[in-house]
Amino acid sequence: AQSVTQPDIHITVSEGASLELRCNYSYGATPYLFWYVQSPGQGLQLLLKYFSGDTLVQGIKGFEAEFKRSQSSFNLRKPSVHWSDAAEYFCAVGVYNAGNMLTFGGGTRLMVKP
Amino acid sequence: GAGVSQSPSNKVTEKGKDVELRCDPISGHTALYWYRQSLGQGLEFLIYFQGNSAPDKSGLPSDRFSAERTGGSVSTLTIQRTQQEDSAVYLCASKPGYTDTQYFGPGTRLTVL
Repeated sequence: AQSVTQPDIHITVSEGASLELRCNYSYGATPYLFWYVQSPGQGLQLLLKYFSGDTLVQGIKGFEAEFKRSQSSFNLRKPSVHWSDAAEYFCAVGVYNAGNMLTFGGGTRLMVKP
Repeated sequence: GAGVSQSPSNKVTEKGKDVELRCDPISGHTALYWYRQSLGQGLEFLIYFQGNSAPDKSGLPSDRFSAERTGGSVSTLTIQRTQQEDSAVYLCASKPGYTDTQYFGPGTRLTVL
């Protein structure tokens, strides 16, 4: 069965600093990978996704992520964090041809210092 | 266009009562998912509907949980004889047939006293 690990439960960065959120997955084949963001009291919003092709994917709000098969990782990055980026971030893996239900990591809560 | 909607947004119930949670998917989306987000378990898959096929119930935690999808659109998640450990946010997502991206609703926060 697939699994997703987000090693960092909480991360605090200063506004304007760069950000990297870690995600490691376990899956026997090439996974479908997603990053979602959840603001307080809100549902999940898709930031970006990787299915195949270019391993560096661009998303909304200036986020990008890089798929590294050798490291089973799909880390999320942003060069300059804004206060509005404070939220919880979830990495997920989807299983194609099995309904595509998502397996989520435990989430990383991002706090942004002014 | 309209996104996935869920009702109620908040539900408080007493232990042992039954509850029904509703999900209205995006029009035309053939797939519908229910997930649960709780402090202890994180985000976990519950059940999946695809068109007229039998649902995938592999994520339901007990036989107190059931769901149906009428007319390939609206879905209702029912929890019978609620327990305190059922307290969580229940998220619904839908997906069109030609993509693998799920679109999530705002969730229903269930509190069992």
